[in-house]
Amino acid sequence: ETGVTQSPTHLIKTRGQQVTLRCSSQSGHNTVSWYQQALGQGPQFIFQYYREEENGRGNFPPRFSGLQFPNYSSELNVNALLLGDSALYLCASSLVHSGELFFGEGSRLTVL
Amino acid sequence: GENVEQHPSTLSVQEGDSAVIKCTYSDSASNYFPWYKQELGKGPQLIIDIRSNVGEKKDQRIAVTLNKTAKHFSLHITETQPEDSAVYFCAASKGGSYIPTFGRGTSLIVHP
Repeated sequence: ETGVTQSPTHLIKTRGQQVTLRCSSQSGHNTVSWYQQALGQGPQFIFQYYREEENGRGNFPPRFSGLQFPNYSSELNVNALLLGDSALYLCASSLVHSGELFFGEGSRLTVL
Repeated sequence: GENVEQHPSTLSVQEGDSAVIKCTYSDSASNYFPWYKQELGKGPQLIIDIRSNVGEKKDQRIAVTLNKTAKHFSLHITETQPEDSAVYFCAASKGGSYIPTFGRGTSLIVHP
């Protein structure tokens, strides 16, 4: 059984640029969620996808967008990067209506 | 929306001692309370969870208690070991979407 994998693991961008982060769900999982974790904080919910549609969204602006593909892999896109977007971005997969989240190791984004 | 408070932010114990981490939540409709452990450089991993129809749950050295009236829940770790050193997050969510709101985390340090 393959766990949740994320890429890239680290990346550096400058203000105003755009970034795409990728996630492969754990085998058999049909739901994927994205979280932003600032240093010393708990994960903050960005959005969730189920059957390729957004199934819930946290308090993040529209420049945070996502996709889920038929194989349940997912992308997180962030446009017009701000310094405050620097964080660890975590992807988690799960079965719909199941509470347990399976997290990847995250993508560390630094915005200069 | 839901608000989860977690204390303490840092907890330092000697190997073999017990550790207790406490959380409170604000939304009385929350009914699922997971605890995640995050080791350095890794994503959070579920260690135990409890649902609102249960007051206590144990799994070897780990136990969680829930007081619905007071809206607080706690994680208890007995006979701590150095490998228990990590950041622990509590969370609260409602059945259906199971989208958790996380606390800010507790850094547990177990000294050999």
